[in-house]
Amino acid sequence: TQLLEQSPQFLSIQEGENLTVYCNSSSVFSSLQWYRQEPGEGPVLLVTVVTGGEVKKLKRLTFQFGDARKDSSLHITAAQPGDTGLYLCAGAGNAGNMLTFGGGTRLMVKP
Amino acid sequence: EAGVTQSPTHLIKTRGQQATLRCSPISGHTSVYWYQQALGLGLQFLLWYDEGEERNRGNFPPRFSGRQFPNYSSELNVNALELEDSALYLCASSPQGLRLAKNIQYFGAGTRLSVL
Repeated sequence: TQLLEQSPQFLSIQEGENLTVYCNSSSVFSSLQWYRQEPGEGPVLLVTVVTGGEVKKLKRLTFQFGDARKDSSLHITAAQPGDTGLYLCAGAGNAGNMLTFGGGTRLMVKP
Repeated sequence: EAGVTQSPTHLIKTRGQQATLRCSPISGHTSVYWYQQALGLGLQFLLWYDEGEERNRGNFPPRFSGRQFPNYSSELNVNALELEDSALYLCASSPQGLRLAKNIQYFGAGTRLSVL
């Protein structure tokens, strides 16, 4: 069974601060995806990383896939209240079908 | 293009009853996945359907079942409802199923099931 440990579980910061969310596993994933979920809605895909060492940027968000494809991080620069939400990482196994989700990081950015 | 649609938005049932949840995937997507998101817990994989067949099943009892129709829409059935079945049930779809290496999944807004 593949497991993804996501940390921290909760994060409350002031507008303008930087933060990093981590996703770690002892298993290798063929790809890793980051989602953001707002209350009452389903997760919305932010990015998919596939290659070990890959770095992708989405405005103020930087996503990195570990060299061994076992871990990933999400870094947000100068967080804004609009970034508030539940961030989920999800790994796809080598069979390429079901996703294994991390427990999520609930982020609150205060103005 | 319409996204993944789920119905109903909310469903209230009592213990022992049956619940049926429905999902329409994005047009052209053949794979449908069901997840349970209980309060305080992450998303737990329930079922995966592709081309009308059940391809994989998560660690849930047999009273959780489903099917996929020829138009690729899907239904999740939960029999003999228990209080702990109260959760947000999310459906996701992806194109090409087994042939898709990246397995990008697109989610619907979910059905909130409350068991009283």
